[in-house]
Amino acid sequence: DAGVTQSPTHLIKTRGQQVTLRCSPKSGHDTVSWYQQALGQGPQFIFQYYEEEERQRGNFPDRFSGHQFPNYSSELNVNALLLGDSALYLCASSVITGRDTKNIQYFGAGTRLSVL
Amino acid sequence: AQSVTQLGSHVSVSEGALVLLRCNYSSSVPPYLFWYVQYPNQGLQLLLKYTSAATLVKGINGFEAEFKKSETSFHLTKPSAHMSDAAEYFCAVSPSGGYQKVTFGTGTKLQVIP
Repeated sequence: DAGVTQSPTHLIKTRGQQVTLRCSPKSGHDTVSWYQQALGQGPQFIFQYYEEEERQRGNFPDRFSGHQFPNYSSELNVNALLLGDSALYLCASSVITGRDTKNIQYFGAGTRLSVL
Repeated sequence: AQSVTQLGSHVSVSEGALVLLRCNYSSSVPPYLFWYVQYPNQGLQLLLKYTSAATLVKGINGFEAEFKKSETSFHLTKPSAHMSDAAEYFCAVSPSGGYQKVTFGTGTKLQVIP
């Protein structure tokens, strides 16, 4: 059973460029959340997708956008990259229903984005 | 609104000693609480979870945590530290209802001294 997979593992971009990160959730999961983890910090919630819609959003600008596909996979897009966007981007999947499984998020290994 | 505070950004213990990592939470609704571990250059792995059942929760690798509502705490313990426990540990909280926004603490880096 494959866990959460993210691609690419590493990415280098320059200021002003755009980037797309991809995530495939764990089998049986229907919800995908994205987090930004700056060096030495805890993960910060960006947004969450369920049924192909953004359900919740953290305190991130509109430059950060996302999408969820019918197969539950997801993309995170960041436009007009800034140096401060350099971080580890983590995808987590979960199921929206079920007492014992709800809210338990399984994380991928992340995509390390460096903005030069 | 919800938040967690992890006391101590760095904790050092000797191999074989008790591990105690502290977490206090704030939540306006009944919370779910989690501990995750992160090894260098890896994602987060769930250690254990509290989802309003038993207040003493046992997780993987010999870790456990106790939910204390009166103290708004969810401290992580392990009786005997192993070298392989050296990692960063994150406490997290989410509301028990609705959508699943999870709020993480700033992390505690555990060093195990041989």
